[in-house]
Amino acid sequence: QVQLEQSGPEVKKPGASVKVSCKTSGYTFTKHGINWVRQAPGQGLEWMGWISAFNGNTNYAQKLQGRVTMTRDTSTSTAYMELRSLRSDDTAVYYCAREKYSGEFDYWGQGTLVTVSS
Amino acid sequence: EIVLTQSPATLSLSPGQRATLSCGASQRLSSSYLAWYQQKPGLAPRLLIYDVSSRATGIPDRFSGSGSGTDFTLTISRLEPEDFAVYYCQQYGSSQYTFGQGTRLEIK
Repeated sequence: QVQLEQSGPEVKKPGASVKVSCKTSGYTFTKHGINWVRQAPGQGLEWMGWISAFNGNTNYAQKLQGRVTMTRDTSTSTAYMELRSLRSDDTAVYYCAREKYSGEFDYWGQGTLVTVSS
Repeated sequence: EIVLTQSPATLSLSPGQRATLSCGASQRLSSSYLAWYQQKPGLAPRLLIYDVSSRATGIPDRFSGSGSGTDFTLTISRLEPEDFAVYYCQQYGSSQYTFGQGTRLEIK
């Protein structure tokens, strides 16, 4: 069965960076893109960007351009999201999600809580 | 960026009733690239509907999606107790995907 397993919770200070991993299994990794979505406490969903698992092409949300980098390792079927220059309003649960065909997300990771606090 | 506006913000209904949730787009969506998700507390969202009206795998047929252009609807024909949750629409017709702010469906 398709599974997306994310790395554990992180606590970071303002200005630091965080890198979250998303290890996939149960399907051919290179056939589906991976998206990252975050959710601040008590708030809605915010799309962060997409990476092609096939060739590594990326498309980031304009709001996060310059602060976010998405990568993937095809040898381990794992996607990564790094966010730099963290601020308190980056505190959120970060999800990876598999793209089914064209931008709809059919499988999600369990979420990774990133807390930014001094 | 395409802004999605969901209404109402909160919907209070009883089990067995029909729920109608709306999602309006600030610009016409190219193709039919609109999805609906259900989210329960502490869990990741679950895909319900994609391409406006296609049900995702394992989704009961009481869930249906419709609409075109800038106006879209998620209908739950007869509410079950497990349907009370937050619902989000999402567009993927532009290169910058966006979500609506959500509709909370609560038990009356």
